[in-house]
Amino acid sequence: QKEVEQDPGPLSVPEGAIVSLNCTYSNSAFQYFMWYRQYSRKGPELLMYTYSSGNKEDGRFTAQVDKSSKYISLFIRDSQPSDSATYLCAMSGGNEKLTFGTGTRLTIIP
Amino acid sequence: GAVVSQHPSWVICKSGTSVKIECRSLDFQATTMFWYRQFPKQSLMLMATSNEGSKATYEQGVEKDKFLINHASLTLSTLTVTSAHPEDSSFYICSARGAGALSKNIQYFGAGTRLSVL
Repeated sequence: QKEVEQDPGPLSVPEGAIVSLNCTYSNSAFQYFMWYRQYSRKGPELLMYTYSSGNKEDGRFTAQVDKSSKYISLFIRDSQPSDSATYLCAMSGGNEKLTFGTGTRLTIIP
Repeated sequence: GAVVSQHPSWVICKSGTSVKIECRSLDFQATTMFWYRQFPKQSLMLMATSNEGSKATYEQGVEKDKFLINHASLTLSTLTVTSAHPEDSSFYICSARGAGALSKNIQYFGAGTRLSVL
């Protein structure tokens, strides 16, 4: 079993829809949770960062962490074609290294 | 803030030659930088952790003599692919660990370098 599981998709939704992206993990030592967006042939761009459990909102993006269920989510409201990318969840126990999910390919259909 | 610059973005070289990739933290000091390799439609694979002023720590299976890493200053780390061969063709991405108590657990990534070895 992988430490971090993420549905690779692809996921296609119409423009304006709410997108829900998720990761599950098995290592209870993870405390720092991140979501990155990666466009084709570009480096990952940090979208959201959360420490421990709870919700965090930034514009159209909301990150949720449920440590009791070992489950994290990223919600995108009012999705736009420019949101089409691969979304990577990443997490850390504080030892510098990040453990990544496989990434979910998202396409927003105009 | 937290901008990481990576250069070049794309390089083509002949088999047997060496290629150097630079990674710079532009607006913060990065004591730790990371080098990743990414194959098409796959996630990032950590190659090595680079600490300023000391030898890099390589992940299992990564050849130290093949992928030379130097982190001579707090803002610059370099990856040199020595005697490159077609199987080394890939997308290489660097990242820098943020400064500060909380952001030290965040990595900021460069734009990546696409290496094509002919």
